[in-house]
Amino acid sequence: GAGVSQSPSNKVTEKGKDVELRCDPISGHTALYWYRQSLGQGLEFLIYFQGNSAPDKSGLPSDRFSAERTGGSVSTLTIQRTQQEDSAVYLCASSVGQGVYKNIQYFGAGTRLSVL
Amino acid sequence: AQKITQTQPGMFVQEKEAVTLDCTYDTSDPSYGLFWYKQPSSGEMIFLIYQGSYDQQNATEGRYSLNFQKARKSANLVISASQLGDSAMYFCAMRDTGANSKLTFGKGITLSVRP
Repeated sequence: GAGVSQSPSNKVTEKGKDVELRCDPISGHTALYWYRQSLGQGLEFLIYFQGNSAPDKSGLPSDRFSAERTGGSVSTLTIQRTQQEDSAVYLCASSVGQGVYKNIQYFGAGTRLSVL
Repeated sequence: AQKITQTQPGMFVQEKEAVTLDCTYDTSDPSYGLFWYKQPSSGEMIFLIYQGSYDQQNATEGRYSLNFQKARKSANLVISASQLGDSAMYFCAMRDTGANSKLTFGKGITLSVRP
């Protein structure tokens, strides 16, 4: 597609359930990022994928969070045993990759997660 | 650690007038990149403009320009000829010069354009 696509756009789940959020980056972009946007914390970096390199997971808040990127394209962010504090908008971004001037990150519309 | 500060809680501007949104940053790295994004109520983060720390001139993109004052560590966004569609949240961000190139964001500023 022309831009970064995220699904679902909204997700309501019950506390303790697992959820999967999907991100389809811009074609040809080697770098992919996940961020979380919440009222109290603003925008926070979660995880970064670059090509076939091992992901940078330094922003993941707990071991309940994990992400994978298959075939260097689509990524899935999984939250296990969801808690109410996980309620937030999860944003995915992609960019051409490191070593490129500007290396602008383009964002999807996000997935709004509500944990009841 | 890098830090972005946006202290204006909310801004109002009359349609067709210019408005400046403030951003200050802190970093010890001589090489960095600064970005502005717009987030309308739909939620998508829209890239507006980029300024590199070594760029000799202030960045401009259509109605957007960046007032980059390196010594003062400020990168204010100027929107000229405001339009109703400019009403949104605006975020200033800095790119990490580390291996992951993640963005560190400010808290954002709400801009409302009055007709």
